[in-house]
Amino acid sequence: EPEVTQTPSHQVTQMGQEVILRCVPISNHLYFYWYRQILGQKVEFLVSFYNNEISEKSEIFDDQFSVERPDGSNFTLKIRSTKLEDSAMYFCASSVSRYEQYFGPGTRLTVT
Amino acid sequence: AQSVSQHNHHVILSEAASLELGCNYSYGGTVNLFWYVQYPGQHLQLLLKYFSGDPLVKGIKGFEAEFIKSKFSFNLRKPSVQWSDTAEYFCAVRRAAGNKLTFGGGTRVLVKP
Repeated sequence: EPEVTQTPSHQVTQMGQEVILRCVPISNHLYFYWYRQILGQKVEFLVSFYNNEISEKSEIFDDQFSVERPDGSNFTLKIRSTKLEDSAMYFCASSVSRYEQYFGPGTRLTVT
Repeated sequence: AQSVSQHNHHVILSEAASLELGCNYSYGGTVNLFWYVQYPGQHLQLLLKYFSGDPLVKGIKGFEAEFIKSKFSFNLRKPSVQWSDTAEYFCAVRRAAGNKLTFGGGTRVLVKP
């Protein structure tokens, strides 16, 4: 069964550094999403992406964040200047339509 | 803004016991409802979903959920749990016209053999 994959599984970075989290969505999917879960808190929506543009974003998704689909397979989340509070598990998801979202295993980001 | 509440943070039960996990949401419009499960060390997997029609939805692994619109609830049930049902369960809601899923806080279920 096709799965969403994410790399790396764990990323450690220093405050102020840029990080790029990578996702390979399921191949025939058209909608892409990023969520995050800070330790002990709920899974929170960050952004959705369709037809090469952002279709919806949350208040969390400020100018420090950006998403890109640089080729036909990858979907990336960039954080330009990381803060301590960006430490979280970041989940990528994809869906073939707007209905069922399939999640990847997550990237644990630790900002020191 | 919509929100989702899961009443229990932790549930411990024995094999063969029945399971019911509560989920309530706060949004008055048309919604799509989901239950996801995360087994230890694995990613979120879709257990079942409700979009329209019969409010009693059957999912994988013997799980079912009932949508009660008047109560803004979507409770998950399983008549007889197994040790392999040990996992964290997440309720999620999406406005029918939107993209984002809003998650509840999750319920950790431990099934003792």
